[in-house]
Amino acid sequence: DAKTTQPPSMDCAEGRAANLPCNHSTISGNEYVYWYRQIHSQGPQYIIHGLKNNETNEMASLIITEDRKSSTLILPHATLRDTAVYYCIVATGSARQLTFGSGTQLTVLP
Amino acid sequence: KAGVTQTPRYLIKTRGQQVTLSCSPISGHRSVSWYQQTPGQGLQFLFEYFSETQRNKGNFPGRFSGRQFSNSRSEMNVSTLELGDSALYLCASSDGTGGWFGEKLFFGSGTQLSVL
Repeated sequence: DAKTTQPPSMDCAEGRAANLPCNHSTISGNEYVYWYRQIHSQGPQYIIHGLKNNETNEMASLIITEDRKSSTLILPHATLRDTAVYYCIVATGSARQLTFGSGTQLTVLP
Repeated sequence: KAGVTQTPRYLIKTRGQQVTLSCSPISGHRSVSWYQQTPGQGLQFLFEYFSETQRNKGNFPGRFSGRQFSNSRSEMNVSTLELGDSALYLCASSDGTGGWFGEKLFFGSGTQLSVL
């Protein structure tokens, strides 16, 4: 699986959009970009995934660049409950063996 | 729909003992994966079971084993516990089909194992 690079930490004001970047310059054509988050002492939670097109669901939006070498996870109106470690993972569609990196610690400030 | 259930939530063992952890996947899910999380190594894949067969295996010693039952419930066993086995053990379930549309994993809250 391709490797990803994420900033170790980010802050965001409550109510503002949180934009979390991820670089995956070695992504293969059949690999998806997945985002999970982990709130302290809980299991990771699936957020969103995409292959080429931008995706949106009730939790977030995923913007993937045209060359697919980077992506951005957008939480449109961050709340204190969104404080967590966010993991960007690149894997094939059928992958259940996910490689988690260090992720980005997002802190939403009141 | 009930989520992924892991038992017990906390466990304390001593070196040399063995331990069995249990995972009940979401109803209808046939794939169960196990992960180990430590502060030093982060989240690491242990193995995955699908329809009672181990489908993938991570880079862990043979002391770590697992199995899956016909109802998709899974157990993992760690024998001859070492201090370094202290970790949060997470189980994830999915429908196991993946493919064209990608596959979501649903994680349980984990079992926190402390080896003294």
